[in-house]
Amino acid sequence: EPEVTQTPSHQVTQMGQEVILRCVPISNHLYFYWYRQILGQKVEFLVSFYNNEISEKSEIFDDQFSVERPDGSNFTLKIRSTKLEDSAMYFCASSGSRGQETQYFGPGTRLLVL
Amino acid sequence: DQQVKQNSPSLSVQEGRISILNCDYTNSMFDYFLWYKKYPAEGPTFLISISSIKDKNEDGRFTVFLNKSAKHLSLHIVPSQPGDSAVYFCAASPGAGKSTFGDGTTLTVKP
Repeated sequence: EPEVTQTPSHQVTQMGQEVILRCVPISNHLYFYWYRQILGQKVEFLVSFYNNEISEKSEIFDDQFSVERPDGSNFTLKIRSTKLEDSAMYFCASSGSRGQETQYFGPGTRLLVL
Repeated sequence: DQQVKQNSPSLSVQEGRISILNCDYTNSMFDYFLWYKKYPAEGPTFLISISSIKDKNEDGRFTVFLNKSAKHLSLHIVPSQPGDSAVYFCAASPGAGKSTFGDGTTLTVKP
């Protein structure tokens, strides 16, 4: 069964460093998402991406965040200058098309900012 | 403003009995509702969904009920099994687009 994959599974970084989280969505999906879950809190929407551009973003997704689909398979989330409060699980998700709204999630990347 | 609420942070049931997880929402624009199951340090796993044009959807042991007038949905698991023990998230979306998640309910099924 097709699945969303994410790398790395864990990332430890120093405050102020840049990190890139990688995702390979399900191959025939068209919509891509990033969510995060801070420990003990709910899953929060960050950004959605369709047709090579951001379609929606939350207040969390400020100028330090960016997303990119550099090739036909990868979808990346870049955090330019990490802060302590960016420590969280980051989940990538993908869905097929408008009318197929189920989003399938990857296993997540645990980011720890020291 | 919490648009999707799961008021019970935890639920404990005996194996073989029914588990009922509840979710309330406030945004009338939500058109599609989903339940996800999540284990620690893993991503949410899709369980079952329902669109606003239906009031019930069933898939094996899992049934989701939607009451649009009350802006309430529930997930029924019957019979409950110990492997069902996990955190269950309710999510809602206005069709394709971001999903708004509830806080989650931790279900424990005792053997």
